[in-house]
Amino acid sequence: AQKITQTQPGMFVQEKEAVTLDCTYDTSDQSYGLFWYKQPSSGEMIFLIYQGSYDEQNATEGRYSLNFQKARKSANLVISASQLGDSAMYFCAMRDSNYQLIWGAGTKLIIKP
Amino acid sequence: GAVVSQHPSRVICKSGTSVKIECRSLDFQATTMFWYRQFPKKSLMLMATSNEGSKATYEQGVEKDKFLINHASLTLSTLTVTSAHPEDSSFYICSARTGTSDRPSSYNEQFFGPGTRLTVL
Repeated sequence: AQKITQTQPGMFVQEKEAVTLDCTYDTSDQSYGLFWYKQPSSGEMIFLIYQGSYDEQNATEGRYSLNFQKARKSANLVISASQLGDSAMYFCAMRDSNYQLIWGAGTKLIIKP
Repeated sequence: GAVVSQHPSRVICKSGTSVKIECRSLDFQATTMFWYRQFPKKSLMLMATSNEGSKATYEQGVEKDKFLINHASLTLSTLTVTSAHPEDSSFYICSARTGTSDRPSSYNEQFFGPGTRLTVL
């Protein structure tokens, strides 16, 4: 069965430090996509970064990078130089062969000033 | 970028009434729209997938007679919560997908609406 696992329910990080949010996945598909979304308290889902299963290089988008380790089936999100505005829920998701998204439980990130 | 709107953003209604939530893709045609439900501090739960012009596909455990989905055009899908009860109170989020299933997708092709917070008294 396809599954996304986020083992960190919550994290506290000092402002300006880097933070890694863990995500592991399980799938038997050869082709899949991995996503990270940010959900602030307002509720909107904000797309952060995407990694395709055949992409050899780790995806990067500004301060966000995805540490993709295919053999270990992990797709951790790294946020460099964290800011107070980064405080939010973060969800890892995987697109399955039906183009539906399978979601992890989420990680609540709180940035401390 | 692609924009998806949802209306209303917040609704409070009495038990027994029906509530309609609209999801619109503003600047693109969405062949597929997804409806999610999210409980506080929980992840998104897919309720149904709707394709324009055809009946929605509901996930297991979702009552199709209670949550009516109509995808009448390529830019509009509606979710109607019929005879709402307090346990239907939740945050409902739609997303709209571009592209076709026979073309490889390599990017973010599912765009989310801002959500609708439903409170049933």
